[in-house]
Amino acid sequence: GDSVTQMEGPVTLSEEAFLTINCTYTATGYPSLFWYVQYPGEGLQLLLKATKADDKGSNKGFEATYRKETTSFHLEKGSVQVSDSAVYFCALMRDYKLSFGAGTTVTVRA
Amino acid sequence: NAGVTQTPKFQVLKTGQSMTLQCAQDMNHEYMSWYRQDPGMGLRLIHYSVGAGITDQGEVPNGYNVSRSTTEDFPLRLLSAAPSQTSVYFCASRGQGAGNTEAFFGQGTRLTVV
Repeated sequence: GDSVTQMEGPVTLSEEAFLTINCTYTATGYPSLFWYVQYPGEGLQLLLKATKADDKGSNKGFEATYRKETTSFHLEKGSVQVSDSAVYFCALMRDYKLSFGAGTTVTVRA
Repeated sequence: NAGVTQTPKFQVLKTGQSMTLQCAQDMNHEYMSWYRQDPGMGLRLIHYSVGAGITDQGEVPNGYNVSRSTTEDFPLRLLSAAPSQTSVYFCASRGQGAGNTEAFFGQGTRLTVV
C-alpha cells in the first residue's frame, strides 16, 4: 500500500537557519504530494503541494520539488523564523485518500 | 468563514461509553474523512465518504461507525469506548475534481478514555 516516510524529529534550530525535512514515498502510479503544517492547538493547514513530477510547490518561503526518480518531496526553507515552529506532515493523495508521514516537530529559537 | 467545524473540542469518556463526534462543513464538499492522530504515527484514516449515502473504511476502522445522510455532516460514532481510542480526531473535507486536491481540516477533538 501507499506509505510516506519522513525525517524523525524533533528538530531545533536558531532563527535564520536553513531548514530541510526529508520525505520519501511509496505508491503506485502518480500520486499528488503535499506538505501540511500544524500549529499548536490547531488543525492541519496545507502548506504547499505538487501534482506531477518535477513540479515545485512553494509558499511562505518554503519549497519542495516532486522528484519521481528518487520518490522524494523534501521540504526546505532558507531562513526560518520563530513563527515557523510547528509540526510538519508530508502526505500523498491517491484516489480519494491521503496518507501521512509521522510528522516532524520543528522548534525555532530566537 | 466556518469551513470544517468539529464538536466537541475536548471529551473524557469512561470505558464502555458511547459517543458521537460531530463534523460539519459548509463548502459543499463531496469528500469527507475522519483521521486519528497519535504520537509518532501521523494521521491514520478511520473512515471516509465520497458523497451523501456512501461511506467506506480506512486504515483503522474498528470500533468506529460513520454515516453520511447529508453533504454537510459526517458524524463519527464510538460504539463502546476503549482506552486505545484515546487520541486526537480530525475531520477533513475536499471538493470533487482533479483540481480540488486541498483537504480542509477541522480543529480537532481531543478524546480521553479512562
